[in-house]
Order: sequence, then C-alpha cells, then structure tokens
Amino acid sequence: GAVVSQHPSRVICKSGTSVKIECRSLDFQATTMFWYRQFPKQSLMLMATSNEGSKATYEQGVEKDKFLINHASLTLSTLTVTSAHPEDSSFYICSARDLTNRETQYFGPGTRLLVL
Amino acid sequence: EDQVTQSPEALRLQEGESSSLNCSYTVSGLRGLFWYRQDPGKGPEFLFTLYSAGEEKEKERLKATLTKKESFLHITAPKPEDSATYLCAVQASNTGNQFYFGTGTSLTVIP
Repeated sequence: GAVVSQHPSRVICKSGTSVKIECRSLDFQATTMFWYRQFPKQSLMLMATSNEGSKATYEQGVEKDKFLINHASLTLSTLTVTSAHPEDSSFYICSARDLTNRETQYFGPGTRLLVL
Repeated sequence: EDQVTQSPEALRLQEGESSSLNCSYTVSGLRGLFWYRQDPGKGPEFLFTLYSAGEEKEKERLKATLTKKESFLHITAPKPEDSATYLCAVQASNTGNQFYFGTGTSLTVIP
C-alpha cells in the first residue's frame, strides 16, 4: 500500500534555531502534499498545501515566512520551521495525495518537535 | 459553512461489545468521506473511503456506511487492539484538495 515517511520522528532544538522536516512518498508519486499540525487531544489542523514545482498554499493564520515549504520533486516535500520558539512545539504530520487511488491522502508517522 | 462533527467524543466498550461511531457532515458537493485510525503519537492510518450514499466498506471488524448526511463506523466484537482515535474527513467539491477533519472519537476497548 501507499507509504509515507517522515524524518526526523522527534527533534529537540533550542529557541531561535531552524528545523527541517522531510516528508517522502515511498511507493507513489505525489504532486500534492499537505502539512498538518496537531495539538494534544485535538484533531489535525491543516497548515499548508504543498504543490510540486510551485509555491505552497498556506491556510489563514499560518505564517509562510516562518513555515517554509519546498516541494522539489514528486516524492519529497520539506517543512522548515524557522527561528523556532517554544510555542512552535507540536506534532507535525504530512500527508501525500495518491492520484491513482482517487485522491486518498496517506499520512506520515509524524514529527514531534520540542523547542526549548 | 462546511462542517464535520464526530460523536461520541469518547467511547469505552467491553471486549466483544459492538457499537457505532458517527460522523455527520454538511458540505457542498461531497467528493469523498474518509475514515482514519490514529494511535497516540502516530500519524493517521487510512481505513476507508466512501463516495456515494448507500456505499459500504468492510475491513475485519470494521464496517463503514454512508448516507447523504452522515457516516457510521460500525465496530463488531471489538478487541483491545482496536483502541485508538478514529477520525473522519470530508473532501468537498468546492474546496478542491482540502480535507475537513472531525475532532475524532477516542475508543477504548476494555479486556
């Protein structure tokens, strides 16, 4: 089945540093990937839609200069949290849309970010 | 305004006690309704996609059904390993790619 990986699975960093999270579709090509944020015991909040070869589309209230998204190939999207602060600590999950399976989104395992 | 509501928020079942989870939606032009299972600290795992009213899908102890207003996830004779949060998401024709997620139902199956 469709598999999506994320790396790293967990990261701890100091306030002010930047953190890059990778999302890969392993066995299918994904022209569109999505980045979500999830707080404890809450549902997923869509941050942005990542389109291969073009600029990402950000949801209202999400700072595009803080959360940089690059989708340089059909199997890789990256999310960079720039100048991270403690309030950016969260669980970040990506998904990839499989066009061969009627647009089903398959999710990665998530990345736990802790900013000290 | 498009909305997805899941109920109950939490459900505790004895092992073997069948029940149903509900996902009600109000969207303009349903393109698909998706069910996912999420374990703590992990990403959602895809379960089913339903596209039209009357459609049903089954996988082991789970069965998903769809009407024009809601979807049910029926769990037959659940086991402790079925404990997880079950999320439903709706894709609407007027929002293109975007999924609207419900807040989930946290299911606990007690041995």
